[in-house]
Amino acid sequence: QKEVEQDPGPLSVPEGAIVSLNCTYSNSAFQYFMWYRQYSRKGPELLMYTYSSGNKEDGRFTAQVDKSSKYISLFIRDSQPSDSATYLCAMMAHDYKLSFGAGTTVTVRA
Amino acid sequence: DAGVIQSPRHEVTEMGQEVTLRCKPISGHDYLFWYRQTMMRGLELLIYFNNNVPIDDSGMPEDRFSAKMPNASFSTLKIQPSEPRDSAVYFCASSLGLSGNTIYFGEGSWLTVV
Repeated sequence: QKEVEQDPGPLSVPEGAIVSLNCTYSNSAFQYFMWYRQYSRKGPELLMYTYSSGNKEDGRFTAQVDKSSKYISLFIRDSQPSDSATYLCAMMAHDYKLSFGAGTTVTVRA
Repeated sequence: DAGVIQSPRHEVTEMGQEVTLRCKPISGHDYLFWYRQTMMRGLELLIYFNNNVPIDDSGMPEDRFSAKMPNASFSTLKIQPSEPRDSAVYFCASSLGLSGNTIYFGEGSWLTVV
């Protein structure tokens, strides 16, 4: 079993829809939770960063962490075609080594 | 700042050849990471350096892989001899300190070994 599980999709939604992405994990030592966005043929770029449990909102993006369930989510409101990308969850314990999910490919249709 | 710069962006080489990938981290960053991304295994950490010193190379797949960081502004990842299963995208990333919100990735080196 992988340490971080993420459904690779693909996910296709119409413009304006809410995109819901999630990851589960098995390592209870993970304390830092991140979402990266990766456009085609580009490197990952940090989108959201959360320490421990809770919610964090940044514009149209909301990240949620539920450590009791070992489950994290990313919501994209009012999705735009420019949001079409692969979204990777990533997690880190105090050893500061990032463990990534497989990534979910999202297409927002105009 | 120009960000993390990697070269070459694309490399096609024959099996058995030596491959050298290069990375220039963001100026002032003290950590440098090499990752490999494949469809099968996703993003995997190969090795990381702190102040030019290798700290953890447990992700390096085998002895054919080696990495160096001779100074704060340059690192190489070398594969010798290369094999078709090494075909992947290799990312270099750098950060200031060790926290998840300061890691910046380059655009990757796309390696194909035929």
